[in-house]
Amino acid sequence: QVQLQESGPGVVRPSETLSLTCTVSGYSISGGYYWAWIRQSPGKGLEWIGSIYHNERPYYNPPLKSRVTISLDTAKNQFSLNLSSVTAADTAVYYCAREPDIAGHVDYWGQGTLVTVSS
Amino acid sequence: QSVLTQPPSASETPGQRVTFSCSGSSSNIGSNYVYWYKQLPGTAPKVLIYRTNQRPSGVPDRISGSKSGTSASLAISGLRSEDEGDYYCAAWDDSLSGVVFGGGTKLTVL
Repeated sequence: QVQLQESGPGVVRPSETLSLTCTVSGYSISGGYYWAWIRQSPGKGLEWIGSIYHNERPYYNPPLKSRVTISLDTAKNQFSLNLSSVTAADTAVYYCAREPDIAGHVDYWGQGTLVTVSS
Repeated sequence: QSVLTQPPSASETPGQRVTFSCSGSSSNIGSNYVYWYKQLPGTAPKVLIYRTNQRPSGVPDRISGSKSGTSASLAISGLRSEDEGDYYCAAWDDSLSGVVFGGGTKLTVL
């Protein structure tokens, strides 16, 4: 059974970098799927941050592209998100997810982790 | 402002049929598959429809998806109280080279 679990700090200071890790169990991240980060601001809708496939360049949401880095660590079967220069607008529940193809299709989600940007 | 447009709310009585709309453009819905998700408070979304009209195993056949031009629809018949939740559409956008979501529709079963 595929499981994803987000981890990282729950509070990040403005202007600093938000860093999250997603640990995948039950499937190898080099095995043929895209791995994604999606966020949801409090009381708002879903926003795709970006996706990455083993041995391919990542895809990023254009409004966030200058601040986002998504990478894979196949040895640990983890993937990560770095979002730089955060502001209060980046406060959200961050989900890691598995995508069968980079088309908007998510078949497995992490439980989500709330990250608050605050001093 | 979401790239895909969904009405913010919908309501219907048990046993009836409800339809959710998702409006986009030629660069997303018009040329790519559409996906539908249901989300309950405090939980991650769950896929209901993939590739516009396909149901994952475990999703009942009273739930269906379709597309016409640059708009997509999700229909639920035989409405039940457990169908309450937030419903989101999603698609790939060729112009943005990214995944876009609708703003979501909150369903209330009266």
